[in-house]
Amino acid sequence: DAGITQSPRHKVTETGTPVTLRCHQTENHRYMYWYRQDPGHGLRLIHYSYGVKDTDKGEVSDGYSVSRSKTEDFLLTLESATSSQTSVYFCAISVRVGGTEAFFGQGTRLTVV
Amino acid sequence: GESVGLHLPTLSVQEGDNSIINCAYSNSASDYFIWYKQESGKGPQFIIDIRSNMDKRQGQRVTVLLNKTVKHLSLQIAATQPGDSAVYFCAENIQGAQKLVFGQGTRLTINP
Repeated sequence: DAGITQSPRHKVTETGTPVTLRCHQTENHRYMYWYRQDPGHGLRLIHYSYGVKDTDKGEVSDGYSVSRSKTEDFLLTLESATSSQTSVYFCAISVRVGGTEAFFGQGTRLTVV
Repeated sequence: GESVGLHLPTLSVQEGDNSIINCAYSNSASDYFIWYKQESGKGPQFIIDIRSNMDKRQGQRVTVLLNKTVKHLSLQIAATQPGDSAVYFCAENIQGAQKLVFGQGTRLTINP
């Protein structure tokens, strides 16, 4: 999986609790992305990063924040988890933006009860 | 494994037959397209890509066709095998944008 590791792979949490998902890459790619995947919606971009400390919002960013303090790690935080955030979360990396493929991790299944 | 996309369009073909998976995209400014394959419990995996200045590109057992006039993309898989069973997504990159936009996906089932 192109040197991408997501952790944890599965998590169950309660509504209102904070949750942090981690994406770690060993490829030294500049761009990192967090997507969520839900039935009927395909993959939707939450946030992305174009360098250390450089991040921007995607199409479904409400309720999520991200941080990238070093090239290899991109963290996704749900400050106060809600049931609507139950989903499968995928991290992806790419060497440049646009015009090139993104490589995906194995995914994290998050259930908010 | 994960069971996303329970309401996906589906396509069933016999092993050994050819399959064609279609995708309509919406943005005429899209300049790059990718097909991904996603097996149960795994992340999407790159199959093949095509740029907007091309109308056809071939890989190993796969061919992607691009029709910009009607904003249509197709993936042809030749001589399908059981391992081709998966969900297939098309993705488009809008020129100048920082992201790939994904379609809903098609579930391909190969019957023995």
